[in-house]
Amino acid sequence: DIVMTQSPDSLAVSLGERATINCKSSQSVLYSSNNKSYLAWYQHKPGQPPKLLIYWASTRESGVPDRFSGSGSGTDFTLTISSLQAEDVAVYYCQHYFTTPRTFGQGTKVEIK
Amino acid sequence: QVQLQESGPGLVKPSQTLSLTCTVSGGSISSGGYYWSWVRQPPGKGLEWIGFIFYSGRTYYNPSLTSRVRMELDTPKNQVSLRLSSVTAADTAVYYCARDGSDYGVSMDSWGQGTLVTVSS
Repeated sequence: DIVMTQSPDSLAVSLGERATINCKSSQSVLYSSNNKSYLAWYQHKPGQPPKLLIYWASTRESGVPDRFSGSGSGTDFTLTISSLQAEDVAVYYCQHYFTTPRTFGQGTKVEIK
Repeated sequence: QVQLQESGPGLVKPSQTLSLTCTVSGGSISSGGYYWSWVRQPPGKGLEWIGFIFYSGRTYYNPSLTSRVRMELDTPKNQVSLRLSSVTAADTAVYYCARDGSDYGVSMDSWGQGTLVTVSS
């Protein structure tokens, strides 16, 4: 199985400041035929289902604010919230979809400082 | 826009079988290209992928659960079912169904609201 490891486990950021979450996979999730990394980011708020933010490591899902961005390739990935808003308080998960079983990172809790 | 809704008993006794249904609206589960997934979240823990079933009926299960899990399609009803046998308290979780569009590069882009299943006598 591909193990996904996120860091940090939690972070507190002031409103309007940048939040950065890292995700590392135990093996590459880069598909050589199309040069795409099969890595997604989700936002999960209490009482709601997870919401897809980013797929292919850096492509924003339709309707997702542009303050959310994803970067990285292969085994190392980053989710950045450029200017944290109150509504961004949530747990964020990375997940690979390169093969089965799909696996998630352990989650990063983002709070307001 | 596709919508998913989970349904089933909220309480299951230990050693019994957990059975859930995901009803899909706004799109056909047999229209091709999508994997219909189940994901769970135990209280206070992270997300765990249970498995998925392709529109053709082919299934892929998490190796940690494969001996206990079964998924099926009911195409006339546009439903996906999950059965998990021999449950214990460790199976207490919120269970989500989700559409996985990996063949289109998207991963899980649509989710049900989730349903809490408690395993207790």
